[in-house]
Amino acid sequence: GAVVSQHPSWVICKSGTSVKIECRSLDFQATTMFWYRQFPKQSLMLMATSNEGSKATYEQGVEKDKFLINHASLTLSTLTVTSAHPEDSSFYICSAMKAGDYNEQFFGPGTRLTVL
Amino acid sequence: GESVGLHLPTLSVQEGDNSIINCAYSNSASDYFIWYKQESGKGPQFIIDIRSNMDKRQGQRVTVLLNKTVKHLSLQIAATQPGDSAVYFCAESVIYNQGGKLIFGQGTELSVKP
Repeated sequence: GAVVSQHPSWVICKSGTSVKIECRSLDFQATTMFWYRQFPKQSLMLMATSNEGSKATYEQGVEKDKFLINHASLTLSTLTVTSAHPEDSSFYICSAMKAGDYNEQFFGPGTRLTVL
Repeated sequence: GESVGLHLPTLSVQEGDNSIINCAYSNSASDYFIWYKQESGKGPQFIIDIRSNMDKRQGQRVTVLLNKTVKHLSLQIAATQPGDSAVYFCAESVIYNQGGKLIFGQGTELSVKP
């Protein structure tokens, strides 16, 4: 159990377009999901915490109007990169936390975004 | 502590040898720590965790040591195999009023030579 999926696994888009990435908890309910960003050869950087039914909490330095997060159900959170630019190219990873748990996170397989 | 974009240190070991990967954390109030393995192009995979009321925990071929005095974690892998080649991250769980979040260390790239 505790499987998290992401869709798409990779995406290539033109500069100026918007891209939506989905994160789903397949076999459990997740009141909290997290979005991370990872550049090559670097660590995971937390971008935002997404709570079901409420606004996301963004980490310092992350533009909330640039990275729109929606957590409309207990099994789905979406990250939309708006007006993407080449510097937004990165590996985006989500994780999900089971309802009532404040420690263990289950990670998705990641989404590779390339902006041309 | 917070990763600030440093490049990964690397550790190269011979197949069959033991590996030790180290990590420093920043928050003395953190009470839960996790080691993850990340293969190229994939998400992090849970290896082992430890709570702050313990100083050692063993799994299959892996052992995590926690030294709260100096805020240091280590991951020991016994009889390292080529399949262990990956990047290893430690993470500390930080609890705040809205819940918990993980702060990842910078990571170590483990390369196993056959």
